[in-house]
Amino acid sequence: DTEVTQTPKHLVMGMTNKKSLKCEQHMGHRAMYWYKQKAKKPPELMFVYSYEKLSINESVPSRFSPECPNSSLLNLHLHALQPEDSALYLCASSQERGRRIGAAFFGQGTRLTVV
Amino acid sequence: KQEVTQIPAALSVPEGENLVLNCSFTDSAIYNLQWFRQDPGKGLTSLLLIQSSQREQTSGRLNASLDKSSGRSTLYIAASQPGDSATYLCAVLIQGAQKLVFGQGTRLTINP
Repeated sequence: DTEVTQTPKHLVMGMTNKKSLKCEQHMGHRAMYWYKQKAKKPPELMFVYSYEKLSINESVPSRFSPECPNSSLLNLHLHALQPEDSALYLCASSQERGRRIGAAFFGQGTRLTVV
Repeated sequence: KQEVTQIPAALSVPEGENLVLNCSFTDSAIYNLQWFRQDPGKGLTSLLLIQSSQREQTSGRLNASLDKSSGRSTLYIAASQPGDSATYLCAVLIQGAQKLVFGQGTRLTINP
């Protein structure tokens, strides 16, 4: 099973709303990632969790708040977003054993529209 | 700063042709290189992973090569089919970090 599952697939939210994106994998991967992708652009890294601890924050605005409740789940909490935050949000995971990092597997993404 | 470039940006070929997609990177200190395909509005599907110590990987009609010293990788697709139409992205994993740096992608169209 090489599946990363993201919910919801589509989300429309107002600028005053609070919502959460969810990501789940059961491959035993200990590294999990959030990427943001704008139309016709490559994905851009937002956050990395390694062994359930935040290891990289690419200077993401605080209106995006990641959470890793356990080794299989990754959440992205959204609050007071701006229309320019509309994008495809991708979750990924990879195996990490010591210095060995395996292939990254991506979910199908959540298409977020901020109105 | 690592930069990844993919050439060409778009490619249209008739069905059945063999084709090569190119990827170059500026810093040879990479951990691995991965090729993905992305269909419109969808997530990324991993195609091939090449570790920095490897020269090539094969999966079915796909073959990816890596020349780390020259900062180049190619993805060879044999006997192309309309179902191969998608955007192909290469990404390098920076050594000492858990960050994938992506190229801009090649949008491939296979015409029946």
